[in-house]
Amino acid sequence: DGGITQSPKYLFRKEGQNVTLSCEQNLNHDAMYWYRQDPGQGLRLIYYSQIVNDFQKGDIAEGYSVSREKKESFPLTVTSAQKNPTAFYLCASSIEARYEQYFGPGTRLTVT
Amino acid sequence: AQSVAQPEDQVNVAEGNPLTVKCTYSVSGNPYLFWYVQYPNRGLQFLLKYITGDNLVKGSYGFEAEFNKSQTSFHLKKPSALVSDSALYFCAVRDGANSGYALNFGKGTSLLVTP
Repeated sequence: DGGITQSPKYLFRKEGQNVTLSCEQNLNHDAMYWYRQDPGQGLRLIYYSQIVNDFQKGDIAEGYSVSREKKESFPLTVTSAQKNPTAFYLCASSIEARYEQYFGPGTRLTVT
Repeated sequence: AQSVAQPEDQVNVAEGNPLTVKCTYSVSGNPYLFWYVQYPNRGLQFLLKYITGDNLVKGSYGFEAEFNKSQTSFHLKKPSALVSDSALYFCAVRDGANSGYALNFGKGTSLLVTP
């Protein structure tokens, strides 16, 4: 997990509230990614960013938003439009998009 | 789209025995394949990758993987399993430039090594 931090580790929210998950990296990596993990489904791509001030939707972007104002930071907002937000969220980065990705420790979000 | 499949939800092996975790892939063009391991409530740790070259790839913690083009497989192996190897293992394939080279993951295989 070294070099990529995610906070908080656990997050509890009421339905209808927006919540922002933090992802920071000190690896000087250009590319950053957000994945969602659900039991038995592997990881699915939410958003990715290859450079500062640019990001693209992944396979399941509906109900999520991101920003990439700094190279080190790629926060993910889970909006009230996300129908089933309870999941384990993982942030990853790579030195360039072509290379292997390194993952943060994850944030477990529970919405009730 | 590039995809991988992990046909086994769980693999059980006795400590000291060899282990194999299976992965097959479906890609257009040359595959870029990866193995990751996940311990409970933790992020994924990179184990190894195949880009090109030797079909036998060596990685972290004594793991290796064999790339087989004719069988479109990339099985993870270890000659002698440890109890501490018990974890969730993911095979992944790199997607193309139009997806930011994101990884497409299999559903994972739970490895249980018993003493």
